[in-house]
Amino acid sequence: DSGVTQTPKHLITATGQRVTLRCSPRSGDLSVYWYQQSLDQGLQFLIQYYNGEERAKGNILERFSAQQFPDLHSELNLSSLELGDSALYFCASSPLQRAGANVLTFGAGSRLTVL
Amino acid sequence: QQQVKQSPQSLIVQKGGISIINCAYENTAFDYFPWYQQFPGKGPALLIAIRPDVSEKKEGRFTISFNKSAKQFSLHIMDSQPGDSATYFCAASIGGSARQLTFGSGTQLTVLP
Repeated sequence: DSGVTQTPKHLITATGQRVTLRCSPRSGDLSVYWYQQSLDQGLQFLIQYYNGEERAKGNILERFSAQQFPDLHSELNLSSLELGDSALYFCASSPLQRAGANVLTFGAGSRLTVL
Repeated sequence: QQQVKQSPQSLIVQKGGISIINCAYENTAFDYFPWYQQFPGKGPALLIAIRPDVSEKKEGRFTISFNKSAKQFSLHIMDSQPGDSATYFCAASIGGSARQLTFGSGTQLTVLP
């Protein structure tokens, strides 16, 4: 167990629907990162939050949004889902915003299947 | 260019052999190069990392070799074991830390008993 908790583990939904993925970071970690892992795109950075504030954006679609709450858990919202959104979504956490021995710890992922 | 190119896509090695996975990058601003190991059903886990001020880093059976002038780095797994069978990802980031990692495409390693 990495200490990063992601729910749900598996999710099956239909095109056009909206889902929310949840992540609880490792105790003491202030930064949360979301990554998407698909067969054709590999692991792609989506977005980072630090202590409740958005810090960096990667290849995140406008249909996707995220937030980090005061208790530091984070949610990734995916809307108007398309077949191509089917992927593994990973959350990772780290203790610091930048620099130093800033190790990313990944959760086990949420597997989204869009039918 | 934020790309990191990884090869081979898959690798089969006999137990006790050496596994070598290579990565190349374009962006000279990258200054942190970790390798992650991922088992089926699990998230990637940090294996070993290097910064460009050293040419080699060794941790147990795992060694990173780094060639700054060629913009290449590689992972060597000595005395490969069946338990090493996993997918390995190289990655790179800017700022000397693990934020906003750019990952390679992954190498599926199978170590035969």
